[in-house]
Amino acid sequence: GAVVSQHPSWVICKSGTSVKIECRSLDFQATTMFWYRQFPKQSLMLMATSNEGSKATYEQGVEKDKFLINHASLTLSTLTVTSAHPEDSSFYICSAIKFARSVGSYEQYFGPGTRLTVT
Amino acid sequence: EDQVTQSPEALRLQEGESSSLNCSYTVSGLRGLFWYRQDPGKGPEFLFTLYSAGEEKEKERLKATLTKKESFLHITAPKPEDSATYLCAVQAVGGGSNYKLTFGKGTLLTVNP
Repeated sequence: GAVVSQHPSWVICKSGTSVKIECRSLDFQATTMFWYRQFPKQSLMLMATSNEGSKATYEQGVEKDKFLINHASLTLSTLTVTSAHPEDSSFYICSAIKFARSVGSYEQYFGPGTRLTVT
Repeated sequence: EDQVTQSPEALRLQEGESSSLNCSYTVSGLRGLFWYRQDPGKGPEFLFTLYSAGEEKEKERLKATLTKKESFLHITAPKPEDSATYLCAVQAVGGGSNYKLTFGKGTLLTVNP
């Protein structure tokens, strides 16, 4: 399957600071990437859709000024958590769309996740 | 609003004991149904995409099927290494975000040796 990487895999930061998480598609180009967050023992909640060369689309209830998304190239999207607070502590996971050879077929591959802890 | 319900929430099997996981969904129009496996502290691992009722896909001990209302993930003769949380997700036709997935809460599968 396709490979999506995230960096860092975990990060601890102090309240009020900003943290940047990178998501890369390693062996394919992805015009569309997604950012999710997952709380313990809960499922994935979509935060935003990241489109290469355009502004991200945020889900209802997600603060776009707090969670800054930049999709600068076909293989890289970044999520910056600004002025982080303890309630932002979570598991952040990105994904990328890879189109298959069959018309209309695609697969969505996920990164390994980034554990953010805000103290 | 799109909804995905997975059952059971948790399933414990003995090695070699076959079973099935259920994913019931409600969408305005189904574009695709996805199955993922997630190990603790890791991102979901892609397993299958199903697009239309009657479609089936297989991978090793796993087989996914799809009807108009639900999907099943059949596990044949499971091994302890199949222990994980299995997630089901749907993508609706004409969703506000292209390729946006709505996830179920998952089924935690434990296979005892």
